Amino acid sequence: DTEVTQTPKHLVMGMTNKKSLKCEQHMGHRAMYWYKQKAKKPPELMFVYSYEKLSINESVPSRFSPECPNSSLLNLHLHALQPEDSALYLCASSQDLGSKTAGYTFGSGTRLTVV
Amino acid sequence: AQSVTQLGSHVSVSEGALVLLRCNYSSSVPPYLFWYVQYPNQGLQLLLKYTTGATLVKGINGFEAEFKKSETSFHLTKPSAHMSDAAEYFCAVSGMNSGGYQKVTFGTGTKLQVIP
Repeated sequence: DTEVTQTPKHLVMGMTNKKSLKCEQHMGHRAMYWYKQKAKKPPELMFVYSYEKLSINESVPSRFSPECPNSSLLNLHLHALQPEDSALYLCASSQDLGSKTAGYTFGSGTRLTVV
Repeated sequence: AQSVTQLGSHVSVSEGALVLLRCNYSSSVPPYLFWYVQYPNQGLQLLLKYTTGATLVKGINGFEAEFKKSETSFHLTKPSAHMSDAAEYFCAVSGMNSGGYQKVTFGTGTKLQVIP
């Protein structure tokens, strides 16, 4: 299995809702990432997990809360989002955090719309 | 800190024509360079990568890129464009950042349009 699977593919939520994005990989990768991508922009790093521990938080607002229940799963919990948080949220994985050369495997993303 | 610059946010080519997407990098250490492709409403897919060794790198879908240290470039080419090549292409560089961890930095992307 060489894929990163993200669910749901599309999500519309109100500003008072609580929702979660899910990401799963079975490649044995030990680093997993959340990226946010606005239209016509490159992906922006949000969080990095290495061996199921949060290693990097790129100053992301607390209304985004990541969780890594095990080595294959990565969640992003959403609460009290703003319309400007509408974007494509991408999950990615790599062999490990120190791997400079392997490249990332990306999921297809969750298209989030906050209304 | 490393960075990449993609020249041209939009490139249009005719079907069957040469594709050339430009990427220049800035890095204080030997860079690790990547090209990713993104189709509409999809994630990014790794096309090819340069780490060490041969400077001409071949990737998927007939794409290749040449690492030129003297020009600090890593341009992406394909001899003959196909309609299915229409997508957004991102150049990226991997390196140690000021926080002490490996970070991938993406360019701003080039949208390739293929004209029938």
